Amino acid sequence: GQNIDQPTEMTATEGAIVQINCTYQTSGFNGLFWYQQHAGEAPTFLSYNVLDGLEEKGRFSSFLSRSKGYSYLLLKELQMKDSASYLCDVRDGGKAAGNKLTFGGGTRVLVKP
Amino acid sequence: GAVVSQHPSRVICKSGTSVKIECRSLDFQATTMFWYRQFPKQSLMLMATSNEGSKATYEQGVEKDKFLINHASLTLSTLTVTSAHPEDSSFYICSASSGGSSYEQYFGPGTRLTVT
Repeated sequence: GQNIDQPTEMTATEGAIVQINCTYQTSGFNGLFWYQQHAGEAPTFLSYNVLDGLEEKGRFSSFLSRSKGYSYLLLKELQMKDSASYLCDVRDGGKAAGNKLTFGGGTRVLVKP
Repeated sequence: GAVVSQHPSRVICKSGTSVKIECRSLDFQATTMFWYRQFPKQSLMLMATSNEGSKATYEQGVEKDKFLINHASLTLSTLTVTSAHPEDSSFYICSASSGGSSYEQYFGPGTRLTVT
């Protein structure tokens, strides 16, 4: 089975940095995804990590440690539009799993002026 | 980028009726489509995985006779909520993957279902 944990909610100030941690326990692993979801909308893809290390993409960076079952999403220079839920998702591996994604509960980030 | 559409975006139906939701991949062939359900302030819950031309694989606790999934072509999957009840009111989201070595799933915009 899959177990993914991330904080429920975080608050940060515009222009600041916020780090969202995610820990996981999975029977198979074929990559970790971060998605952003605004209320009432579908998720949008932010990042993908399958090897250990840091992936940087503009203001967003994502880190993975497979041995620790740990990832974080780093949001820099926060903007008001970054207020959203951030979903940590692990892709199961193997044919039987069908590469399906298991979503964590999501972290609601509130950016204040 | 890849585009996935859903229709309708919003639907209100009476209890006991059936509702069909369509999910289309507009510019790529989706060998696999996924159907999710999301209740307010909760994360996405996978309902079923659908591969083109074969029966869908349902997650534990999801009634396959109530949520009928058809994936008849590489660009279209449908979810039919049969005999809908108010507790089925939710946000239904599909995603599509071209499969193989592709790692990304592309999400549709979602369908808000309200059963009165």
